[in-house]
Amino acid sequence: SAVISQKPSRDICQRGTSLTIQCQVDSQVTMMFWYRQQPGQSLTLIATANQGSEATYESGFVIDKFPISRPNLTFSTLTVSNMSPEDSSIYLCSVAPTGVGGYTFGSGTRLTVV
Amino acid sequence: RKEVEQDPGPFNVPEGATVAFNCTYSNSASQSFFWYRQDCRKEPKLLMSVYSSGNEDGRFTAQLNRASQYISLLIRDSKLSDSATYLCVVNRNYGGSQGNLIFGKGTKLSVKP
Repeated sequence: SAVISQKPSRDICQRGTSLTIQCQVDSQVTMMFWYRQQPGQSLTLIATANQGSEATYESGFVIDKFPISRPNLTFSTLTVSNMSPEDSSIYLCSVAPTGVGGYTFGSGTRLTVV
Repeated sequence: RKEVEQDPGPFNVPEGATVAFNCTYSNSASQSFFWYRQDCRKEPKLLMSVYSSGNEDGRFTAQLNRASQYISLLIRDSKLSDSATYLCVVNRNYGGSQGNLIFGKGTKLSVKP
């Protein structure tokens, strides 16, 4: 299965600022996904990052707040813009398997907005 | 109805116990099903895929009932190291190709000495 390097692993940010999270995959993958996990909750899909086209966002998430880049088949970034304390969460990227099997996750970015 | 529902627990069991988790999903066209394990402050990791025929991996057995839209996970001879949150996960893409995952809220298991 693919190996994902996600960074930063954690950050504490001031409200109103932006943070960009990066995920690097050790192999080419067609689909990458970005999830949010709020404290005590399960994972919620933010968007699907498509190489060569705009990301597809889930209901409740918009591009202006969570812009995504996918410049090639091994890399993606998620930016959390104009942050507020409500954005304090763990953000995870994920890739689909090339064949059958489960999806792989990055180690997550623990974001605290103060 | 939520896309994926599971009992949040917590399940507090002694070592050696057998414990079962259940999960239901709302869309009958869902194709792929998984159980993930998430340790505190860690990312989810695949425990096992769930097949229609049922599958077993050591102490873990997963079952899928498509007619009832129900997935289960059985853990036998529980170990302290099994303490974690178990996430029921359904692949939303119904056409057979890879899509995104929908997660249940997770069932917390605590195995005590």
